[in-house]
Amino acid sequence: DTEVTQTPKHLVMGMTNKKSLKCEQHMGHRAMYWYKQKAKKPPELMFVYSYEKLSINESVPSRFSPECPNSSLLNLHLHALQPEDSALYLCASSQLEGAHEQFFGPGTRLTVL
Amino acid sequence: GEDVEQSLFLSVREGDSSVINCTYTDSSSTYLYWYKQEPGAGLQLLTYIFSNMDMKQDQRLTVLLNKKDKHLSLRIADTQTGDSAIYFCAALNRGGATNKLIFGTGTLLAVQP
Repeated sequence: DTEVTQTPKHLVMGMTNKKSLKCEQHMGHRAMYWYKQKAKKPPELMFVYSYEKLSINESVPSRFSPECPNSSLLNLHLHALQPEDSALYLCASSQLEGAHEQFFGPGTRLTVL
Repeated sequence: GEDVEQSLFLSVREGDSSVINCTYTDSSSTYLYWYKQEPGAGLQLLTYIFSNMDMKQDQRLTVLLNKKDKHLSLRIADTQTGDSAIYFCAALNRGGATNKLIFGTGTLLAVQP
């Protein structure tokens, strides 16, 4: 299995809602990443997990809360988001943190109303 | 920090070759990558080159690296309509204790039948 899967594919939420994005990989990778991508822009790194521990937080607002319950799963919990948080959220994994090949999932298209 | 730049748009006819260019600023970048993103989808790693190489060929794809000028290019031979997508150049930036992928602005490749 050489895939990174993400659910849901699309998510619409209000500013008072709480929702979660899920990412899964079964390649035995020990580093997982969250990126945010606005329309017509490159992906921007949000968080890096290495061996299930948070390694990098790129000064992301606390309304985004990542969680890595095991080596295959990565969640992004969302609460009290703003309309400007609407974007494509991409998950990626690599064998180790800093390993040069990152494999990306298809993304979750998030719309905040 | 690393800055990666690309031209925004390229239009070619089906069957022609496409050349997408990228410049970067950090000469210590060890790996340089080309990713493809189709509309509404995640990023697909197309190819990469290690910084001590000048050229890498993989089927229809040829990557050229000019380290002196910090210039990277991706040539797609016999371009097909299925190659229409946004192409991102990325550099692996080893800054301090962390390694990050720094993406370029993306080049939209439009292939005319």
